[in-house]
Amino acid sequence: GAVVSQHPSRVICKSGTSVKIECRSLDFQATTMFWYRQFPKQSLMLMATSNEGSKATYEQGVEKDKFLINHASLTLSTLTVTSAHPEDSSFYICSAGPRAPPQQFFGPGTRLTVL
Amino acid sequence: AQSVAQPEDQVNVAEGNPLTVKCTYSVSGNPYLFWYVQYPNRGLQFLLKYITGDNLVKGSYGFEAEFNKSQTSFHLKKPSALVSDSALYFCAVREDNFNKFYFGSGTKLNVKP
Repeated sequence: GAVVSQHPSRVICKSGTSVKIECRSLDFQATTMFWYRQFPKQSLMLMATSNEGSKATYEQGVEKDKFLINHASLTLSTLTVTSAHPEDSSFYICSAGPRAPPQQFFGPGTRLTVL
Repeated sequence: AQSVAQPEDQVNVAEGNPLTVKCTYSVSGNPYLFWYVQYPNRGLQFLLKYITGDNLVKGSYGFEAEFNKSQTSFHLKKPSALVSDSALYFCAVREDNFNKFYFGSGTKLNVKP
């Protein structure tokens, strides 16, 4: 299957700083990538859909100015958590996949801890 | 609206016994159904999918799932559980005309020796 990577796998930062997470599709082109957030012992919450060459589509309740998404190329999407606070601490997962056949391939996730 | 329900937060089974993890779905169009497994602090790994064709789908690691249109279910099964199957399992659905996936709440599978 296709491979999706995320970097970094783990990051610890101070409150008020910004953190950038990269998501790359290594062996296929992805016009669409998805960003999820997962709280402990909970399901994945879709945050936004990242579209190559255009603005991301955010789910209801997700602050677009807080979580900046850039889909600069067909293989790279970035999520920047701006002015991070402890409540932003979470496991962030990206996914990508072809529209047909329908399937999503997931990155290994990024554990963000804001002190 | 699309949705997925996993009615069991946790399933406990003894090693060697068959296991079932339940999933029901709701979509307005044709469903594409998926099962993923997640190990601690890892991303999701694909197990199997139903797009069309045979209702019984075979996937990775000996898992299989049966699509039941009348009951709108897609339960995950394995004839003989292994301790290494212990993980968090997610069911997901996607409508045929949309690229967005909807995930269930997850079911923690505990396989005891």
